[in-house]
Amino acid sequence: AQRVTQPEKLLSVFKGAPVELKCNYSYSGSPELFWYVQYSRQRLQLLLRHISRESIKGFTADLNKGETSFHLKKPFAQEEDSAMYYCALSDSNAGGTSYGKLTFGQGTILTVHP
Amino acid sequence: NAGVTQTPKFQVLKTGQSMTLQCAQDMNHEYMSWYRQDPGMGLRLIHYSVGAGITDQGEVPNGYNVSRSTTEDFPLRLLSAAPSQTSVYFCASSYGDRPGSEQYFGPGTRLTVT
Repeated sequence: AQRVTQPEKLLSVFKGAPVELKCNYSYSGSPELFWYVQYSRQRLQLLLRHISRESIKGFTADLNKGETSFHLKKPFAQEEDSAMYYCALSDSNAGGTSYGKLTFGQGTILTVHP
Repeated sequence: NAGVTQTPKFQVLKTGQSMTLQCAQDMNHEYMSWYRQDPGMGLRLIHYSVGAGITDQGEVPNGYNVSRSTTEDFPLRLLSAAPSQTSVYFCASSYGDRPGSEQYFGPGTRLTVT
């Protein structure tokens, strides 16, 4: 069965410091991985997806198949980055309409102090 | 576009009561799903649907029923509420049939069962 693990429940950094939110996965196939973010009083929204290899709000994430990891990184954290972050994996093995099924990690609450 | 809407925002039930959480989307997405969010456990998939008339179970389906009579609506029914169903419930929709499909989430329903 597929699984996503975020080992840190809480992560605190100071403004301007680098931040890395860890995500490890287990999946028997070619994974599709995402980072979703939930800011205070806002709905859960997509931050980035590995298939796009994009940088959003200064965040990047590289898929490392050897280490089965998809860590989220930002070189200089900002106070507005404080939020709950979820790593998620899409069940794409079966193809067709299965891409919508997501398995989420436990989430990491990031707090950026001024 | 309203996106994904959910009603009610808050609900308190007594053990044994039944209720329906409403979810609607106006993006013509084929794929819709229900998740529950619990502290330390992330989001877990309850039920999902790949189109009108087609539903399937997710990771934690017990105690919940769904139906999909239209593309727009995907209600979640609690048959006999239990305290273990106290949670925040999120509805989501996506195209679901292509790699990297973004899930669009509703604002959530906070349910307390006493």
